[in-house]
Amino acid sequence: EAQVTQNPRYLITVTGKKLTVTCSQNMNHEYMSWYRQDPGLGLRQIYYSMNVEVTDKGDVPEGYKVSRKEKRNFPLILESPSPNQTSLYFCASSLSGTPLYGYTFGSGTRLTVV
Amino acid sequence: QKEVEQNSGPLSVPEGAIASLNCTYSDRGSQSFFWYRQYSGKSPELIMFIYSNGDKEDGRFTAQLNKASQYVSLLIRDSQPSDSATYLCAVNQGSSNTGKLIFGQGTTLQVKP
Repeated sequence: EAQVTQNPRYLITVTGKKLTVTCSQNMNHEYMSWYRQDPGLGLRQIYYSMNVEVTDKGDVPEGYKVSRKEKRNFPLILESPSPNQTSLYFCASSLSGTPLYGYTFGSGTRLTVV
Repeated sequence: QKEVEQNSGPLSVPEGAIASLNCTYSDRGSQSFFWYRQYSGKSPELIMFIYSNGDKEDGRFTAQLNKASQYVSLLIRDSQPSDSATYLCAVNQGSSNTGKLIFGQGTTLQVKP
């Protein structure tokens, strides 16, 4: 089944404890992206990757890191999480970065930082 | 002005009625327009996309695009309670070639039996 897999689904952590949210897609998509979704603010892009070893900042990159060493994987790293990073996170992928294609989303990771 | 604007709702319609969801966007260079459905606590699911002015129909769903007015809409015919969800309008960022989609905040649809 074609899908984007995120793990974990739920995570509660403490301020300052480094964490990684994994994202993997099995559709051979070139483009991958991370979004966070917050009430009243909608979906906002954190980082994106047009292809392997090519990543760039989205609208809200502060406090996050990403890497794209393999085409299928695009982990999101929070080096020192803070409570304002409590949110619902979605990984998304697309066949390419051209305007023609929509995203396929992962199931989401609900992160709580206390 | 927000880049993609939607009325947050809730929009309440009776079962069997037509639900009309609207979206306006500010970037005249945008070329691709998408509608996603998101159930509470779930991920967005792509239900329609449209690139050209006019209407595009898929089953009970019709997407309408008017680039001159910078307006895109989604019609849901014969609305069912299972259509109750938040509908997100997404538009590609025409001014860049980053593949970025800009999302509206969504319209909550309630279909009452």
